[in-house]
Amino acid sequence: KQEVTQIPAALSVPEGENLVLNCSFTDSAIYNLQWFRQDPGKGLTSLLLIQSSQREQTSGRLNASLDKSSGRSTLYIAASQPGDSATYLCAVSLNSGTYKYIFGTGTRLKVLA
Amino acid sequence: SAVISQKPSRDICQRGTSLTIQCQVDSQVTMMFWYRQQPGQSLTLIATANQGSEATYESGFVIDKFPISRPNLTFSTLTVSNMSPEDSSIYLCSASGDRSDPYGYTFGSGTRLTVV
Repeated sequence: KQEVTQIPAALSVPEGENLVLNCSFTDSAIYNLQWFRQDPGKGLTSLLLIQSSQREQTSGRLNASLDKSSGRSTLYIAASQPGDSATYLCAVSLNSGTYKYIFGTGTRLKVLA
Repeated sequence: SAVISQKPSRDICQRGTSLTIQCQVDSQVTMMFWYRQQPGQSLTLIATANQGSEATYESGFVIDKFPISRPNLTFSTLTVSNMSPEDSSIYLCSASGDRSDPYGYTFGSGTRLTVV
């Protein structure tokens, strides 16, 4: 059974710092992996999607890497800002036919001004 | 990618009653899903809403408790039946397979349900 774990569970950093969020999954047979952002009381916003054949994706100050063989992904946030404060979730899709995702436990990030 | 309108955004309900949550997508999508997020926890998939047929439920979730409809490619409803305080959660719908963004995965803004 696929399990997705995120470390740390919570993180508080001063504005301007670069930071790394970690995601690990137990079954390397994934189709793709996505990173999402969830603001309090809101739905989820997709940040980056990495196909299983890719090793990284970049969007602005965000960079996500994928090491499928070791069951790990990292989300790198450069020059953090208070507006980055949110919960970050990673999720893995198990196969191409169903689009079903297994979500991680989330990292709650607070960037201090 | 697709945009989802989810209603209601929140509700407080009496135990024993039922609540129906609606999701309207602004474009036709292949797949729609319903998730539950219990307080302090991550998302758990309840079911896949299939257009024109019965939903596919995940382990631990049954149709009698969470009946789902999907009459067309842009709309779905989830009903939480015979509610108890343990059903207090955020319920989210999501959609995937939009023609303009086939790999995209869009979420509604969620329904915060409190059962008293």
